[in-house]
Amino acid sequence: GQQLNQSPQSMFIQEGEDVSMNCTSSSIFNTWLWYKQDPGEGPVLLIALYKAGELTSNGRLTAQFGITRKDSFLNISASIPSDVGIYFCAGLSGNTPLVFGKGTRLSVIA
Amino acid sequence: GAVVSQHPSWVICKSGTSVKIECRSLDFQATTMFWYRQFPKQSLMLMATSNEGSKATYEQGVEKDKFLINHASLTLSTLTVTSAHPEDSSFYICSATSQQNQPQHFGDGTRLSIL
Repeated sequence: GQQLNQSPQSMFIQEGEDVSMNCTSSSIFNTWLWYKQDPGEGPVLLIALYKAGELTSNGRLTAQFGITRKDSFLNISASIPSDVGIYFCAGLSGNTPLVFGKGTRLSVIA
Repeated sequence: GAVVSQHPSWVICKSGTSVKIECRSLDFQATTMFWYRQFPKQSLMLMATSNEGSKATYEQGVEKDKFLINHASLTLSTLTVTSAHPEDSSFYICSATSQQNQPQHFGDGTRLSIL
């Protein structure tokens, strides 16, 4: 089945630093999504990407849909303590269920 | 933005009890709802896909008689864990979408603890 390789698995950074994480796939996706999950809560949609090459920002977050449609990255600039959480990439293709990466656990040291 | 409400958020009950979890889309019509299970420090594992008015499609390895799903309206899906046992303890999360090629919006999850 389809799988997403998300890296890194975890990150420990200083407050104010920039963060980058990415996802790659062996399959093509029509839509890439990035979610954030706080402990004990459901994932919250951060950014949705619909076109190959698309670069989209949401505040301090920027994500890009790779040209090959097999990868995506998420950048967080000037991290703050509330950025702590687990970030998941997810790929969507046609009517098949969403495919999730294994998540990147972000810790921010004040 | 799209809001999905999941209830209850926490359930603790005795082994053998059946537990019903509700998932509601509050401001859009959810043609498709999904039920996930998440173990600690792991990603979400899809259990079943539910389309309004039809039978749910279960993923391989998920017992449909154990996890009963009903999607009777465009705003409500329910997951019933029948005769729950300690190994069913987990974090269950629903999501909903108005169209299958659109992003899913998630509920806040239900933590189920079976004693």
